[in-house]
Amino acid sequence: RKEVEQDPGPFNVPEGATVAFNCTYSNSASQSFFWYRQDCRKEPKLLMSVYSSGNEDGRFTAQLNRASQYISLLIRDSKLSDSATYLCVVIGPLDTGRRALTFGSGTRLQVQP
Amino acid sequence: NAGVTQTPKFQVLKTGQSMTLQCAQDMNHEYMSWYRQDPGMGLRLIHYSVGAGITDQGEVPNGYNVSRSTTEDFPLRLLSAAPSQTSVYFCASRPVGTGELFFGEGSRLTVL
Repeated sequence: RKEVEQDPGPFNVPEGATVAFNCTYSNSASQSFFWYRQDCRKEPKLLMSVYSSGNEDGRFTAQLNRASQYISLLIRDSKLSDSATYLCVVIGPLDTGRRALTFGSGTRLQVQP
Repeated sequence: NAGVTQTPKFQVLKTGQSMTLQCAQDMNHEYMSWYRQDPGMGLRLIHYSVGAGITDQGEVPNGYNVSRSTTEDFPLRLLSAAPSQTSVYFCASRPVGTGELFFGEGSRLTVL
């Protein structure tokens, strides 16, 4: 089983739609969670951290479910510019650097006019 | 505003050749790392360093060497290139204790 798993998609949605992605992680002792965004042929960039109580940044909402070991990203009122691959990132129980920051393989979102 | 700088951006090698991918950061981050990204595989950690003089292996270290003589620089060496090393390579740095990685623009390597 992969440490971090994501549905690769693609998710094809019309502009204005609400879309949600999930990401599951295998290590129950994982401490920190993030969503990164990667545009085609570009480097990944941090989108938002995921806090235990859930957090919101404009149209984006991230949530953590420790009991079921998944995190989610909700995008409301999708824009064409949201088209990208969204990477789930998990930091394990020991921030030693070694494999402590694990990436999912990403979920591709395509917002259509 | 340089951040993390990688060179070269593109490289074609023949099997058996060696080369070095350069990475430099100007943010005084202690942690630096190299990832490779392949279709459907996500980002996989090759080597990382938590400070000058300290390096360690990641998930896929075979065929690669690194060194960290200064805080700023973290070169990745391919000793004898193989077609399986065809990939996009990203260098990234972060402050220790945070999850925000700052990536370079990537280096696209093709091994024939």
